[in-house]
Amino acid sequence: EAGVAQSPRYKIIEKRQSVAFWCNPISGHATLYWYQQILGQGPKLLIQFQNNGVVDDSQLPKDRFSAERLKGVDSTLKIQPAKLEDSAVYLCASSLAGLSGRAGELFFGEGSRLTVL
Amino acid sequence: DQQVKQNSPSLSVQEGRISILNCDYTNSMFDYFLWYKKYPAEGPTFLISISSIKDKNEDGRFTVFLNKSAKHLSLHIVPSQPGDSAVYFCAATLYNTDKLIFGTGTRLQVFP
Repeated sequence: EAGVAQSPRYKIIEKRQSVAFWCNPISGHATLYWYQQILGQGPKLLIQFQNNGVVDDSQLPKDRFSAERLKGVDSTLKIQPAKLEDSAVYLCASSLAGLSGRAGELFFGEGSRLTVL
Repeated sequence: DQQVKQNSPSLSVQEGRISILNCDYTNSMFDYFLWYKKYPAEGPTFLISISSIKDKNEDGRFTVFLNKSAKHLSLHIVPSQPGDSAVYFCAATLYNTDKLIFGTGTRLQVFP
């Protein structure tokens, strides 16, 4: 079974530029998450999708971050314009919704490391 | 507001001995607690979990203990192996949601 795919693995941009990250979840997983992990901290949830609807985006900085999940499968996370403090690893994860899976068991991709100069 | 806390940023243990990783939490509305393991340049992977209605869950070399009155949980690895060297994240889910709240992680190093 293929895991969660993310691209690009690494991205270096200057502040005020834009960047986009792509995620393809595990086939059949209805729930998709984007997490931000800043160096030395634990992952922090940015947005959660159930199929193509947003369940929780309370911690997404909506003035600069946006995310969409087209047709309930792939997802993109965009940052525009980027700030220095956006330097982090952006992790995509997916899970089986409801009782089909273990509570809290997420399958993570390898992450996209963003450096903002 | 750090709801899940891992106060030890690192731990070093000799191969074959027990590793004990600790985690404290503040929110009484957490209903599941989980441990994730992360190797460099990889995403976190699920290791073991425990429901808030239980006090112990065991899976092979890994055991998680939950003390609700103290709002504390711990992960025991016995015996520790060099391949266990990784960053371990404690996490919790809020009641009736899939929202995971992570701690800051503990880096475990198992040396020969």
